[in-house]
Amino acid sequence: GAVVSQHPSWVICKSGTSVKIECRSLDFQATTMFWYRQFPKQSLMLMATSNEGSKATYEQGVEKDKFLINHASLTLSTLTVTSAHPEDSSFYICSAPSGGAANEQFFGPGTRLTVL
Amino acid sequence: GESVGLHLPTLSVQEGDNSIINCAYSNSASDYFIWYKQESGKGPQFIIDIRSNMDKRQGQRVTVLLNKTVKHLSLQIAATQPGDSAVYFCAENQAGTALIFGKGTTLSVSS
Repeated sequence: GAVVSQHPSWVICKSGTSVKIECRSLDFQATTMFWYRQFPKQSLMLMATSNEGSKATYEQGVEKDKFLINHASLTLSTLTVTSAHPEDSSFYICSAPSGGAANEQFFGPGTRLTVL
Repeated sequence: GESVGLHLPTLSVQEGDNSIINCAYSNSASDYFIWYKQESGKGPQFIIDIRSNMDKRQGQRVTVLLNKTVKHLSLQIAATQPGDSAVYFCAENQAGTALIFGKGTTLSVSS
């Protein structure tokens, strides 16, 4: 099956710094990627839809100026958490659809962000 | 908000028993449903999926049932093993859209 990677797998940063998380589709192209956030013992919540060549679409309640998304190519989307604070500590997961009319999506392994 | 929910947050079973995890969804336009398994610190792992034109699909030791009339989805795991212990999520979508996840059920298997 298709593979989606994320980098880094975990990161610890100081409050006020910015952190960039990469999501790559390794063996297929993805014009759309999705970013989810998961707090401990909770479900995955969609944050935004990343679109190659256009602006990302953010879900209600997600600050676009805080969570910057750049879909640089057909295989790479990045999520930058700007001026991170402890409440941004979470598990961030990206996914990419298989393409066409298919529904299948492939998930990355996730990035654990801890803000001190 | 979430359109997919789960009836029970935790399920404890004995090794060898059959497990049934339930899920309710509210979006009648959804045409694709998936069950994921998530172990601690990892991303969701695909288990089995079903399209809205089906009511049952079987995999290895797992079966998914879809009842569109009552908007209900279930995952059956046969001969549950300790390695099946994890959080299970149902999710739904329409083609090309993001998946909407349910709250999750923690399955605990004791030997």
